[in-house]
Amino acid sequence: DADVTQTPRNRITKTGKRIMLECSQTKGHDRMYWYRQDPGLGLRLIYYSFDVKDINKGEISDGYSVSRQAQAKFSLSLESAIPNQTALYFCATSDPEEQFFGPGTRLTVL
Amino acid sequence: AQKVTQAQTEISVVEKEDVTLDCVYETRDTTYYLFWYKQPPSGELVFLIRRNSFDEQNEISGRYSWNFQKSTSSFNFTITASQVVDSAVYFCALSEGGGSYIPTFGRGTSLIVHP
Repeated sequence: DADVTQTPRNRITKTGKRIMLECSQTKGHDRMYWYRQDPGLGLRLIYYSFDVKDINKGEISDGYSVSRQAQAKFSLSLESAIPNQTALYFCATSDPEEQFFGPGTRLTVL
Repeated sequence: AQKVTQAQTEISVVEKEDVTLDCVYETRDTTYYLFWYKQPPSGELVFLIRRNSFDEQNEISGRYSWNFQKSTSSFNFTITASQVVDSAVYFCALSEGGGSYIPTFGRGTSLIVHP
C-alpha cells in the first residue's frame, strides 16, 4: 500500500463550488504539506503543518484553507473554486529533511 | 532565502545521447539538502537522489550521475545514453536547516528523448 494517498485523484468542478482534497499518510510523520504544480512553475507551497496543532501558510495560500484532523490526515479546501485554481495538487510528508509525495490530484475548475 | 534555478526549460535529445540537467542554488545556510525528482508523463513525483551539504562526493547510479559542487553552488544531473523512458520533467530542490527543511523547488526541466 502507498505511504501517502490522495483522494480524489481527478476532479472536475465548477466555478464557485466548494471542494476538499484529502491526504492520508501511514509513515508516522508529523510534518505534512500541500503543494500546487502549474506547468513551468514547479511546485509551490500552499500550506504546511508541523504537527496537529501547528498550521502555517505557504507561498500561495490565498483562496485555500486546510484542516489537520489527525497526525495522519491533512485536507485542503477550496472554499469557492475559480478557474485559475486548475492545477495538479500534491500532498507530502517529511521526516523532516526528505519529502515523500502522494500521487497527486488533478483538479479542473470550469 | 533559498532559491533554486533550473535555467533549461526544455531539452530535446536523440536516444543514446548524453544529457546534463543543470541546477544552481542559493542559500546562506551551511546545512542543507539537495534533491532531484523525476515526473514522468503519468504525473507522479519519483525521488531520485538526496545529497547533504557536507557530502560533495559525486554519485553514480546506473546511467544516472550527479555532480555536486559547492564552489559553484551547483548540483547537476547527467543521464548517459539516454532512453525514451527518460522523457520526463526533472525537478531540483533545496531544503535548509535554517528554513526548517521546507524545500524550495526549481521550475523543472522538461527532457524529451526522441527515438
